[in-house]
Amino acid sequence: QKEVEQNSGPLSVPEGAIASLNCTYSDRGSQSFFWYRQYSGKSPELIMFIYSNGDKEDGRFTAQLNKASQYVSLLIRDSQPSDSATYLCAVITGGGNKLTFGTGTQLKVEL
Amino acid sequence: EAGVVQSPRYKIIEKKQPVAFWCNPISGHNTLYWYLQNLGQGPELLIRYENEEAVDDSQLPKDRFSAERLKGVDSTLKIQPAELGDSAVYLCASSFTADTQYFGPGTRLTVL
Repeated sequence: QKEVEQNSGPLSVPEGAIASLNCTYSDRGSQSFFWYRQYSGKSPELIMFIYSNGDKEDGRFTAQLNKASQYVSLLIRDSQPSDSATYLCAVITGGGNKLTFGTGTQLKVEL
Repeated sequence: EAGVVQSPRYKIIEKKQPVAFWCNPISGHNTLYWYLQNLGQGPELLIRYENEEAVDDSQLPKDRFSAERLKGVDSTLKIQPAELGDSAVYLCASSFTADTQYFGPGTRLTVL
């Protein structure tokens, strides 16, 4: 079992819709969770982090964490074509400072 | 505030040649990371520095890869000799807190 798993996609949503990106992790002791956005040919850019169970909202983005289910999600409201990118889920694992990434989910927002 | 700086941005070499990548972290960030990213994959940690000390190099292929972070600021990652399978993007990241990492633009290495 991979430490951090994501569906590679592509996930296609129409402009204005809600995009829902999901991630599961295997280390039950993980405490810190991150979402990075990566445009093609660019480096990962941090967009959200969440530490506690529940929801965390930042503009059009909402991160959701359920530690009991070992599940993290990212919702993007009012999706725009500029949101088209690969979204990487990352988790601090190993009881320390190691950031482990999933393979990423490619999001396509269509006009 | 300047972000993480990396150079070169692109490098094409022939197999068996050496190559070096340079990274300058965000000012004040004591922790520096080198990652490797293959196409369609997430970044994978190669080595993590806390100031000058390499605290996690378990994923660094030490037969051909080496890294250093003199004076706890800039860092250099070297491959000698390079192999075809080393073609990838090499990312440098830095952080002030234990977890929030900021990435540089990366160096795209092509080994022919």
